[in-house]
Amino acid sequence: AQKITQTQPGMFVQEKEAVTLDCTYDTSDQSYGLFWYKQPSSGEMIFLIYQGSYDEQNATEGRYSLNFQKARKSANLVISASQLGDSAMYFCAMRPRRSVEKLTFGTGTRLTIIP
Amino acid sequence: NAGVTQTPKFRVLKTGQSMTLLCAQDMNHEYMYWYRQDPGMGLRLIHYSVGEGTTAKGEVPDGYNVSRLKKQNFLLGLESAAPSQTSVYFCASRLDSYGYTFGSGTRLTVV
Repeated sequence: AQKITQTQPGMFVQEKEAVTLDCTYDTSDQSYGLFWYKQPSSGEMIFLIYQGSYDEQNATEGRYSLNFQKARKSANLVISASQLGDSAMYFCAMRPRRSVEKLTFGTGTRLTIIP
Repeated sequence: NAGVTQTPKFRVLKTGQSMTLLCAQDMNHEYMYWYRQDPGMGLRLIHYSVGEGTTAKGEVPDGYNVSRLKKQNFLLGLESAAPSQTSVYFCASRLDSYGYTFGSGTRLTVV
């Protein structure tokens, strides 16, 4: 079984500062993928970034980067130069590569950017 | 526009009523999923399908049924709605290892 833990229910960050959202995971699989999604107040799920367990480099997508520490089983999302539009819920998720089943989601972190 | 379309977007049901949520995708994806989202619990998988004519149970399947008669459509049915099924329902489809596409959600209230 897989488990995702997001220990920060809510965060407040000043605009233009960098922010790190924590995510730890537990799995017995050797090959898996890690995902981050953004859910703004409008409700849709927006894919942000993906990291494969065998990828040697940390994934980056524009202002988003994933700080992947495999030995510690952590996959933190880093948002650089935060913007007001970054205010949203953020979900970490994981799926074993061989599985056709579910993404396992964490409980999410509500990020609020302060002007 | 290509993507995942969910209908309806909002619905209020009385306890015991039935309804069907429709998910349609035009990307020729094999895999389709139904999730529910409840406050403080993230998204949980209800049912999924790995191709036309196939369905399987997820994490929280009780009280729901699904069908995938056509590759592009994945239907979620509630035969006898209960207040515990008040939730936001998301459909998703997937082509490859990480290319999940989510619909915009259906907010269902059972009174």
